[in-house]
Amino acid sequence: EAQVTQNPRYLITVTGKKLTVTCSQNMNHEYMSWYRQDPGLGLRQIYYSMNVEVTDKGDVPEGYKVSRKEKRNFPLILESPSPNQTSLYFCASSASLRTGANAFFGQGTRLTVV
Amino acid sequence: EDKVVQSPLSLVVHEGDTVTLNCSYEVTNFRSLLWYKQEKKAPTFLFMLTSSGIEKKSGRLSSILDKKELFSILNITATQTGDSAVYLCAVNRGAQKLVFGQGTRLTINP
Repeated sequence: EAQVTQNPRYLITVTGKKLTVTCSQNMNHEYMSWYRQDPGLGLRQIYYSMNVEVTDKGDVPEGYKVSRKEKRNFPLILESPSPNQTSLYFCASSASLRTGANAFFGQGTRLTVV
Repeated sequence: EDKVVQSPLSLVVHEGDTVTLNCSYEVTNFRSLLWYKQEKKAPTFLFMLTSSGIEKKSGRLSSILDKKELFSILNITATQTGDSAVYLCAVNRGAQKLVFGQGTRLTINP
């Protein structure tokens, strides 16, 4: 089954404790992205990647890092989480712009930083 | 600053009604406009529009883009309770840089 898998689905952590949210897709897609979703603000793009070792900042990259060492994986790293990073995070992937950017979303990771 | 604005933010109708959701945008480098449906968690892709005046249809859903006036509409006819969701509009600015609107929360009452 074609899917984008995020882990964990729920995470509560303390300020300053480094964490990684994993994202994996099994569709051999080139494009992958991370978004955060906050009430009243909609989905905002954090980082995106067009291929292995090719990543770029989205609209809200501060406080986040990503890496794309393999095509299927695109982890999101919070080196020193802060309470304002409490949010619902989505990873997404697509084969190409032609098929509809970010056609497949993961199930989301709800992160709470206390 | 690039922005996408959806209206209304919330809409409650009865089953069987027809609804129209609006999406206007101001972006520096428009490539395409996308509609998504978000129910419990993950958004699911509905349509991608790149050209003005060409209607995309999928069952009871249809969408059209006006690149001159910078907006798109999503129509849902003969609504059903299963259409209740948040509908998201996004603009692709190229190289996978998407900007989303706030979403329209649609509630269909039986």
